[in-house]
Order: sequence, then C-alpha cells, then structure tokens
Amino acid sequence: DAGVIQSPRHEVTEMGQEVTLRCKPISGHNSLFWYRQTMMRGLELLIYFNNNVPIDDSGMPEDRFSAKMPNASFSTLKIQPSEPRDSAVYFCASSLYGRGTGPRANYGYTFGSGTRLTVV
Amino acid sequence: EDQVTQSPEALRLQEGESSSLNCSYTVSGLRGLFWYRQDPGKGPEFLFTLYSAGEEKEKERLKATLTKKESFLHITAPKPEDSATYLCAVLNTGFQKLVFGTGTRLLVSP
Repeated sequence: DAGVIQSPRHEVTEMGQEVTLRCKPISGHNSLFWYRQTMMRGLELLIYFNNNVPIDDSGMPEDRFSAKMPNASFSTLKIQPSEPRDSAVYFCASSLYGRGTGPRANYGYTFGSGTRLTVV
Repeated sequence: EDQVTQSPEALRLQEGESSSLNCSYTVSGLRGLFWYRQDPGKGPEFLFTLYSAGEEKEKERLKATLTKKESFLHITAPKPEDSATYLCAVLNTGFQKLVFGTGTRLLVSP
C-alpha cells in the first residue's frame, strides 16, 4: 500500500488566490481527517469525514476554507481567498473506524507527508 | 475540552543517555492515548496506543506507560537516529478525533 498520498508537496501562492490541496486515503479506510500544523499551535483538526460524509467541521477557521470528499478515494481542502496567515503544513490522515479486532482495535491514524503552503 | 500538554518542549541527550518524555492529559473519557514520531518534512508516524492505566508497550529503545493523568515515553540508550519530534494524542470515548499535544523535540548527539 502506498499510504496516504497528498499533493502538492509544496505550494507557494499569492494572497487572494485560490488554493486546492488533495488527498488520497489508504484503500479500505473509511475515515479521513484534515489537520493543520504550525509551530505555535501544533496539530489542529480542521474537519473529518466518515464514509465520505463530513462529521465535524468545527475546526475550519473561516468560511474561506472548504473541504469535500466526493468518493472514498479522494478528498480536497480548498482555501479561497488565501491569506498569509494560512501558511502552514496541511496533513491528511485516514483510519479504519468502527471495525477491527475487538474493543481495543487500533484507532490510530495514518498520515500523509503533508503539503507545505506558503501564502505571500 | 480535551487537553494534552507535553514536556519538555525540547530535549538534548548524548547517545546512550536515557531519559523520559511526559504527556499530561485531561479527557472526559479516555478511549486511547497515542504516541507518534515525526521527522522533519514528514507526517507523524504511529508508535503506540495505550488504553488503560498501568498498560505498557515497548518498541526497540522506546517504552510507553500510562497512568490516569499522564503518559511517559521512556527512551533507553538513545541513538542519533532517535532524534525526532514525539507527539502525544488522546482519543475521547465520545468522539473520533485525536487531540494532539505540541510535541517534544528530541535531539540525540553522537
């Protein structure tokens, strides 16, 4: 398995432009998470999906942020318009939720390598 | 609100010098406590899950332990390749989302 695949690895854009980050989760995983990582705040959950349905988007900072998961193998995080304070590393993670080997099934996430976004 | 606090923020060790990293947590109901390792430019990599107080898990030079209020990651005779940021996270019984601490940056010098 190739793991969680994110693209692009790096993105530099000008303030006001639209940015789209992409994620392909591990095949068979039914939950997908978008995190943002900064030095000041660490890893913050933005939104997560179960079976392609958004469950909790309370971490999405503003209406400028939106996320979609049109099918089980693809998700996007869009920022429109982008601002310099959006500069961060954005991670996608996937997991297998609600199944496994019993009550102590491992709910740990598998993370992608991240997209480093710089808004100038 | 679930909270995770890790200490120290940074730790420098000589090769072979054992130490421990701390993770203090507040959660209404603990489903699991997770340890991850993160190398520069990469995503966090899963190390351990602990489910109940008293539980311990080991992997090579790392051992994780759990009490009702905190977890420790013990590093025995570390090597330079153990240098990384170590992240702790909790999963609440009522939710599905991992809440992370800000991590401990470990540097092991030869």
